[in-house]
Amino acid sequence: DIQMTQSPASLSASLGETVSIECLASEGISNDLAWYQQKSGKSPQLLIYAASRLQDGVPSRFSGSGSGTRYSLKISGMQPEDEADYFCQQSYKYPLTFGSGTKLEIK
Amino acid sequence: EVQLQQSGPEVGRPGSSVKISCKASGYTFTDYVMNWVKQSPGQGLEWIGWIDPEYGSTDYAEKFKKKATLTADTSSNTAYIQLSSLTSEDTATYFCARMLGAVMDAWGQGASVTVSS
Repeated sequence: DIQMTQSPASLSASLGETVSIECLASEGISNDLAWYQQKSGKSPQLLIYAASRLQDGVPSRFSGSGSGTRYSLKISGMQPEDEADYFCQQSYKYPLTFGSGTKLEIK
Repeated sequence: EVQLQQSGPEVGRPGSSVKISCKASGYTFTDYVMNWVKQSPGQGLEWIGWIDPEYGSTDYAEKFKKKATLTADTSSNTAYIQLSSLTSEDTATYFCARMLGAVMDAWGQGASVTVSS
């Protein structure tokens, strides 16, 4: 199985700050990488797919990048509603696997 | 609007089975594969498997092959997951999620399963 190592496990950011979350795959996944946001008590929501494509309706302050085994999610200008857990997920090979998650809080 | 409406919380005794439903609306049910994902309390996400409602074909993560059974009823646009031989390890929230390509673009609200004697 492809292991997804996500970092950091948690971080806090001030409003307006730019934050980055990273995922490292145990092997190359050819940009088959998605990012999800999960707010407290809610289901995950798709933010980014194919490493850098923004899902419809997702604010443009969210962006994704990366290649090979390293991928990142950037939030340019933290907003109150961005406080949530974030997960990466590879879809290069089955079984689909997720990163362990990053808890993002407002400082 | 795409909606996935899951059934309510379940409590099961150790060794018993539970069945969770996921009713789809707002799209053609047979056009998309349905995934199931487990989230243990305070933990991350685990992919359980998928079902193609049109053909009934399935694929499971190795860990869940003896635990979960995925089915779908095209007459009611509903997908199901049955969890058998329940143990405390099965206490979790279970999500259904529509697959678009190989990502999950719409999710149910989740159904909690508590295993307790």
